[in-house]
Amino acid sequence: DTGVSQNPRHKITKRGQNVTFRCDPISEHNRLYWYRQTLGQGPEFLTYFQNEAQLEKSRLLSDRFSAERPKGSFSTLEIQRTEQGDSAMYLCASSLVSNTEAFFGQGTRLTVV
Amino acid sequence: DQQVKQNSPSLSVQEGRISILNCDYTNSMFDYFLWYKKYPAEGPTFLISISSIKDKNEDGRFTVFLNKSAKHLSLHIVPSQPGDSAVYFCAASAPGNTGFQKLVFGTGTRLLVSP
Repeated sequence: DTGVSQNPRHKITKRGQNVTFRCDPISEHNRLYWYRQTLGQGPEFLTYFQNEAQLEKSRLLSDRFSAERPKGSFSTLEIQRTEQGDSAMYLCASSLVSNTEAFFGQGTRLTVV
Repeated sequence: DQQVKQNSPSLSVQEGRISILNCDYTNSMFDYFLWYKKYPAEGPTFLISISSIKDKNEDGRFTVFLNKSAKHLSLHIVPSQPGDSAVYFCAASAPGNTGFQKLVFGTGTRLLVSP
């Protein structure tokens, strides 16, 4: 399977706990994106990497959120001190530098109880 | 500020007929438009795209039309099949300083194709 892979698929956590999600993009893709989708809404942009550099972050990404892409390969998204409002589907996508057609993973559904 | 709007939350069509999904946008800087299809518990899947220099792009049963003056695009599916039943998202992008183009999504239209 050469698509975008996300782990875990589901995560249930207690409020206040930290969680970390992983994304493995399509291997030749330079760009990696994180989006968040809540019920009844379209995906909302969170942050973007070109290779290992994080080039843009949305104002939606509070200081409790941090994303990394060491070595320009896989990426992790960490949420510290989770809140119930963080419950959502977290989607990772990747694309080539010259290609705006991003390919999405299956997402990680986070439930904060 | 919803820059990409899909005003129809749902659409029901009979198998074999045409499905028309609509999308409006407000940002005149958008220069690339995409449609994604999403099944439950899966990530969005790219379907078809169109550049702002074109007014039509066709791929098999799927055609996207762009009317820049009206800031409107539509996705036509002909003929519709039950397997097309999914949520369809319209997305748009604009060039940034680094060449980065983030996608701005609409809220989606749920299409149900009945046999």
